[in-house]
Amino acid sequence: AQSVTQLDSQVPVFEEAPVELRCNYSSSVSVYLFWYVQYPNQGLQLLLKYLSGSTLVKGINGFEAEFNKSQTSFHLRKPSVHISDTAEYFCAVSTGSSNTGKLIFGQGTTLQVKP
Amino acid sequence: GAGVSQSPSNKVTEKGKDVELRCDPISGHTALYWYRQSLGQGLEFLIYFQGNSAPDKSGLPSDRFSAERTGGSVSTLTIQRTQQEDSAVYLCASSSQTGGTYEQYFGPGTRLTVT
Repeated sequence: AQSVTQLDSQVPVFEEAPVELRCNYSSSVSVYLFWYVQYPNQGLQLLLKYLSGSTLVKGINGFEAEFNKSQTSFHLRKPSVHISDTAEYFCAVSTGSSNTGKLIFGQGTTLQVKP
Repeated sequence: GAGVSQSPSNKVTEKGKDVELRCDPISGHTALYWYRQSLGQGLEFLIYFQGNSAPDKSGLPSDRFSAERTGGSVSTLTIQRTQQEDSAVYLCASSSQTGGTYEQYFGPGTRLTVT
């Protein structure tokens, strides 16, 4: 069975500083990997996804993530955060073999950007 | 264009009552998913519909939960004899096709509170 672990429940950071949100997954089959963002009282919005090919994936709002198969990680990074990036971030996986696309989520990381 | 909509946005019900939650997917999207977001369990997959195929109900937590999708469009999630542990935000998502490579678009959710 697949599982996703987000190693930090909360990440406080000052505005304009870089940030990394960590995600590790476990799966015995090939996976697709996703990062979603949830702003307060809103639904989930896709930030970026890794399906295949280049292991460095660029997404919206200046975020990027790197797929590392040997370490089974998919960490999210941004070189300079803004106050508006304050939100909850979810890493998720779906397996290519299941073909339903259902997502298995991590527990979420709250990014708190301070002025 | 219109995104995924859910109604009601908030629902307060007494323990033991039945509730119905509605999801209107993006027009033309054939795949529809229900997820539950709760403090204790994080984001969990509940059920998946694809066209006229039998739904994947593997995530439903008990037989008090059921869902249907009429005419390949609107979906209703029904919880019978609600319990306090059912309190959560119920999220609906749709995608243009089935499979892990297709982006899921999420609605704003229905916040269910069981008193």
